[in-house]
Amino acid sequence: DVKVTQSSRYLVKRTGEKVFLECVQDMDHENMFWYRQDPGLGLRLIYFSYDVKMKEKGDIPEGYSVSREKKERFSLILESASTNQTSMYLCASSSSGSTQYFGPGTRLTVL
Amino acid sequence: GQQLNQSPQSMFIQEGEDVSMNCTSSSIFNTWLWYKQEPGEGPVLLIALYKAGELTSNGRLTAQFGITRKDSFLNISASIPSDVGIYFCAGRGGGADGLTFGKGTHLIIQP
Repeated sequence: DVKVTQSSRYLVKRTGEKVFLECVQDMDHENMFWYRQDPGLGLRLIYFSYDVKMKEKGDIPEGYSVSREKKERFSLILESASTNQTSMYLCASSSSGSTQYFGPGTRLTVL
Repeated sequence: GQQLNQSPQSMFIQEGEDVSMNCTSSSIFNTWLWYKQEPGEGPVLLIALYKAGELTSNGRLTAQFGITRKDSFLNISASIPSDVGIYFCAGRGGGADGLTFGKGTHLIIQP
């Protein structure tokens, strides 16, 4: 079975803090994705990566950056967290041409 | 960008009833996917459709890829309490592996 894990299920941070969200997949997938999910807005793509050290902006990249130093790991970074980044963050991975498999999500609250 | 219209937004039904939800798009998709998300968890893939006209079942769930490639529906027969959750459709167009998501159908079952 595909397994996508995220480092934390719940996080509480203060405005201005640097936040790291980690995602690991164990299926040797080339593609990895970060989404945020908000009520009424559905899932919105922040960044994705097709290969190690490669990244592409999604629909809402502002205020975020990513890092993919190893194939199995994709990190989302909030350089200076703000209250409007309070959200559910979902990581997904896929092999080219196949479906995306999601992690359990990280619910981030920025105070 | 591409948009998916998913309906209904929410459904309140009695246990044992059948459920039907659908997604439509102004663009053609090559793949349709249906996910279910339970509170506090990431979306879990239910059914993947890869060919126009394809009808696929997974237990009590049946989904179809519309002939025009611009729509898909999901049916759940004889609903049970554990069917409660949010159901998302997602489509993938030509090129890349990015998905476009519907905003979800929130299914609530009254015993």
